Amino acid sequence: KNEVEQSPQNLTAQEGEFITINCSYSVGISALHWLQQHPGGGIVSLFMLSSGKKKHGRLIATINIQEKHSSLHITASHPRDSAVYICAVPGGNKLVFGAGTILRVKS
Amino acid sequence: DVKVTQSSRYLVKRTGEKVFLECVQDMDHENMFWYRQDPGLGLRLIYFSYDVKMKEKGDIPEGYSVSREKKERFSLILESASTNQTSMYLCASRTGTQPQHFGDGTRLSIL
Repeated sequence: KNEVEQSPQNLTAQEGEFITINCSYSVGISALHWLQQHPGGGIVSLFMLSSGKKKHGRLIATINIQEKHSSLHITASHPRDSAVYICAVPGGNKLVFGAGTILRVKS
Repeated sequence: DVKVTQSSRYLVKRTGEKVFLECVQDMDHENMFWYRQDPGLGLRLIYFSYDVKMKEKGDIPEGYSVSREKKERFSLILESASTNQTSMYLCASRTGTQPQHFGDGTRLSIL
């Protein structure tokens, strides 16, 4: 069974800071997902990536398949980025989720 | 755009009641999932379904059952609600290996 670990569990940043959230997994995968959940809201898929890097606006996701590690970066962070960020990897027909990183960006 | 709709955002029920949580998706996805989300534990899979009338247990199926009579609808049933089933419940759907699309969640309180 794939084990997924995220770090940090909690992160507080000042507006404008560069933010990095890390995700490690134990078993080789075909693709990794990054998800975002705003307070009280549903979950939105940010990225699905299998190699290299993907960018969407101020969000950048990278993955190193050999090291079984992915990072989610947020450039020029803003209070509206405050959310829970979750990484997930395939486990058979299912997804295995990390526990999530709670990000708070202060203005 | 894919829409996954959960019937209630907030629900309060009493211990011992039979509770139904409904989920409907509008994109003909074959796979549907029910999760619960608790602080510090993340998302945990309760049940999933890969076709009409098909279901498989997830990681924490005890105390729950599901029904999928039509492709677009996946229902989660708490046969006899207990206080430890107070949680946020999230439904998701997907096709093939594409990303899952989630509903907005139902925050269920069992008193």
